[in-house]
Amino acid sequence: QVQLAESGGGVVQPGRSLRLSCAASGFTFSNYGMHWVRQAPGKGLEWVAVIWYDGTNKYYADSVKGRFTISRDNSKNTLYLQLNSLRAEDTGVYCCAREETMLRGGYYYYGMDVWGQGTTVTVSS
Amino acid sequence: EIVLTQSPGTLSLSPGERATLSCRASQSVSSSFLVWYQQKPGQAPRLLIFGASNRATGIPDRFSGGGSGTDFTLTISRLEPEDFAVYYCQQYGSSYTFGQGTRLEIK
Repeated sequence: QVQLAESGGGVVQPGRSLRLSCAASGFTFSNYGMHWVRQAPGKGLEWVAVIWYDGTNKYYADSVKGRFTISRDNSKNTLYLQLNSLRAEDTGVYCCAREETMLRGGYYYYGMDVWGQGTTVTVSS
Repeated sequence: EIVLTQSPGTLSLSPGERATLSCRASQSVSSSFLVWYQQKPGQAPRLLIFGASNRATGIPDRFSGGGSGTDFTLTISRLEPEDFAVYYCQQYGSSYTFGQGTRLEIK
């Protein structure tokens, strides 16, 4: 079945780094764009980054630009998020999500149709 | 950056009632790029509506979306117990942003 499973979270001091992974299974990973979305404790969803299906394009939220790097290894069906220069406000649950392309009435639409359960990052001294 | 503002913050209704949730954008968003998600406690978000008005696979027809430009709505025609959750709108038109969410709670 279609699944995404994140790993790599943990407790880290401010200024340090962490690398998150998202293992995909049950679908052709290399056909899909992939996102990272985070959720601070008790707060709403915040989009973090996206990478095109082939890794050629990457975009970031202003809040993480220059500090986080999204990447993928299609041979391993795995998505990554490198988190550098971590801050307390980066604390939260980080989820990966698949971007589906849907064709309706001759038009293409997009949406995140498969999500992982997330991995928790806590930035604290 | 396009800011999405959802209202109300919390909506208290009873099963069987009609729910109308609002999502207002700080600038015009193409309907093609407006999406709604549902999130229940401890669960990942679930895709409900894409392209402002198209139901995702497996979504009951009591859920409907509409709107254009800067004003979009999600309507649940008759609330079922399993519909009480947090709902987020999201836009793809300029970068990607989520609204802050509307909590739909049982009255």
